[in-house]
Amino acid sequence: EVQLVESGGGLVQPGGSLRLSCAASGFTFSIYSMNWVRQAPGKGLEWVSYISSGGSSIFYADSVKGRFTISRDNAQNSLYLQMNSLRDEDTAVYYCARDPMAAGGTTFDYWGQGTLVTVSS
Amino acid sequence: DIQMTQSPSTLSASVGDRVTITCRASQSISSWLAWYQQKPGKAPKLLIYKASSLESGVPSRFSGSGSGTEFTLTISSLQPDDFATYYCQQYNSYSLTFGGGTKVEIK
Repeated sequence: EVQLVESGGGLVQPGGSLRLSCAASGFTFSIYSMNWVRQAPGKGLEWVSYISSGGSSIFYADSVKGRFTISRDNAQNSLYLQMNSLRDEDTAVYYCARDPMAAGGTTFDYWGQGTLVTVSS
Repeated sequence: DIQMTQSPSTLSASVGDRVTITCRASQSISSWLAWYQQKPGKAPKLLIYKASSLESGVPSRFSGSGSGTEFTLTISSLQPDDFATYYCQQYNSYSLTFGGGTKVEIK
């Protein structure tokens, strides 16, 4: 069974940093591209970042470019999101999501349960 | 960035109704469109990809159509489990973008 389990969320002050982790199991993590998608409380979905299976291709939403860094450790079956210079508007549930790589482009077939990041003083 | 606009934002319907949700892209995205269903407190679920391809395990009452800039998600006969919020997502180019969502409520 495919499982994605996020951790690392919490309360942080504006300007602070946080590192999110996503532990993957039930599939061959190293051959799949992965993503982070977030959802502010009561709002819609916002794609945050993409990383290819080997980590050589990375993309970011303009809203986080220069502040967030996506990475992965295929030996540990883990995905990460380093978030720096956090702002109030980064408050959201952060999901890691797998790209099935069967749709001709990036979609999301499996999602974690999400981890809540709250940026507030 | 490509903007995705969904309509309506809220839809009231009864069990057994045929329901149609529209998603428009600010520029052509060919058929690179997916649809998701999300229930409160849960992660989204992939329903449709490549505009009209049904994800494995998704009931056949869900269907998608369209290409270019206009797309629709249709539920042929609304079931109690279908009351949820639906999102479209374009994957023609990065940044990937979602529509604002359509909440399907019980009438």
